[in-house]
Amino acid sequence: DSGVTQTPKHLITATGQRVTLRCSPRSGDLSVYWYQQSLDQGLQFLIQYYNGEERAKGNILERFSAQQFPDLHSELNLSSLELGDSALYFCASSVGSTVYNEQFFGPGTRLTVL
Amino acid sequence: KNEVEQSPQNLTAQEGEFITINCSYSVGISALHWLQQHPGGGIVSLFMLSSGKKKHGRLIATINIQEKHSSLHITASHPRDSAVYICAGPNTGNQFYFGTGTSLTVIP
Repeated sequence: DSGVTQTPKHLITATGQRVTLRCSPRSGDLSVYWYQQSLDQGLQFLIQYYNGEERAKGNILERFSAQQFPDLHSELNLSSLELGDSALYFCASSVGSTVYNEQFFGPGTRLTVL
Repeated sequence: KNEVEQSPQNLTAQEGEFITINCSYSVGISALHWLQQHPGGGIVSLFMLSSGKKKHGRLIATINIQEKHSSLHITASHPRDSAVYICAGPNTGNQFYFGTGTSLTVIP
């Protein structure tokens, strides 16, 4: 158990809908990262937050947005869902903001868009 | 062009064999992370390297900064090592790039 929690575990929804994925980092960790893993694209970095502020941005679509709250939990919002958004979404947390920090991964949320 | 290239894609080994997985990365990658993804999907961070060599149990990771190359070695492989191993390189902007993964199967 990494100490990172993600909810829900599974999510099935329809095209055009909007969903919110939630991540709680390990106690004491200030950074939260979001990743998408699909069969055809592999793992992709979406976005990083550090202590409430956006720190780095990757291949995150405009239909997706994220935020980190004062209690350090983070939410990833996916809207106008398409079939291609079906994937495993992982969050990870680390103590610091730099790339030299070990990341601890949550169990993932499996999103299926029908 | 992928910033991080990984090989081989698939690897089958007999229990006890020495295993090497390779990762090459492009200019701008400042550190190299090795991850293990279990068949159930969970991801565990194995190593973060910015120079030299690190060892944890039967796992050894090395990095050559000049050649932009890292290797993950598993000594005395065991069926429980069967997993997908992924290297990831963040650039100076903190954006992470991932290799395509090496699927390792260790046969008893």
